[in-house]
Amino acid sequence: EAQVTQNPRYLITVTGKKLTVTCSQNMNHEYMSWYRQDPGLGLRQIYYSMNVEVTDKGDVPEGYKVSRKEKRNFPLILESPSPNQTSLYFCASSFYLGNIQYFGAGTRLSVL
Amino acid sequence: TQLLEQSPQFLSIQEGENLTVYCNSSSVFSSLQWYRQEPGEGPVLLVTVVTGGEVKKLKRLTFQFGDARKDSSLHITAAQPGDTGLYLCAGAVKGGTSYGKLTFGQGTILTVHP
Repeated sequence: EAQVTQNPRYLITVTGKKLTVTCSQNMNHEYMSWYRQDPGLGLRQIYYSMNVEVTDKGDVPEGYKVSRKEKRNFPLILESPSPNQTSLYFCASSFYLGNIQYFGAGTRLSVL
Repeated sequence: TQLLEQSPQFLSIQEGENLTVYCNSSSVFSSLQWYRQEPGEGPVLLVTVVTGGEVKKLKRLTFQFGDARKDSSLHITAAQPGDTGLYLCAGAVKGGTSYGKLTFGQGTILTVHP
C-alpha cells in the first residue's frame, strides 16, 4: 500500500531535549516536505527536499533541521525544542513539485 | 515570501446552498492545488490547476485558476453535510529563488448543516 509513515503520532517532551520525527515513503517520490499546522495559520512549510541530498528552507525553518540521505526517508530534527514549536506536524511526498502530494497522518508535538 | 490569502476563514451554511472559497495572491504560481482535510487526518488532494484560466470540475465542485495565475476559487454547488471539512489551497513556484516551495493558504473551515 502506497503511504507516508510518520512516527511518533504523539509526543510530549520538555524544552531543550533533542527529538527526531521520522518520515518514510514507499512510492519512490523525489519531492518530500515537512509542514506545521497551527490554528488560523494553515500549513506552513518548514523544509523541503527536491531529491536525495538536496534540501531547502521553507517559510518557517528556524529551530528545525532535516536530512535526505536516502530517497525514502526525510527525518525532522528539533535540536533544542521550545514551547513555540508545539504544533501538529505533517510530512508529505510527491513525484515532483506540483504533482499529487501524499500526506502522513501527522505528529502532534507538545513541548513543555 | 509568497502569500496566499484564503477567504472566508469560516463558512457555515445549510444543506443545498452554494458557496465559493477564494484564494488570492500577488505572486504568480506555476500550479495551484486544493486540498480537503478532515479532523485527525492529513490533507487529501482534490485538484491541481496549472494553466491560467483553467476550469476543472469534480462532481459538484468547480475549481478555477485565474488568468494571471495569481488567484483561484473553489465553488461547491448544492452543498451536503459530507462536504464539511477544512479546505486548503496551495501554490507552487517553479522558478527563481523560491523554486520548490509550496505555500498554503490559511484554510477555510466549512460546516454544512443538514
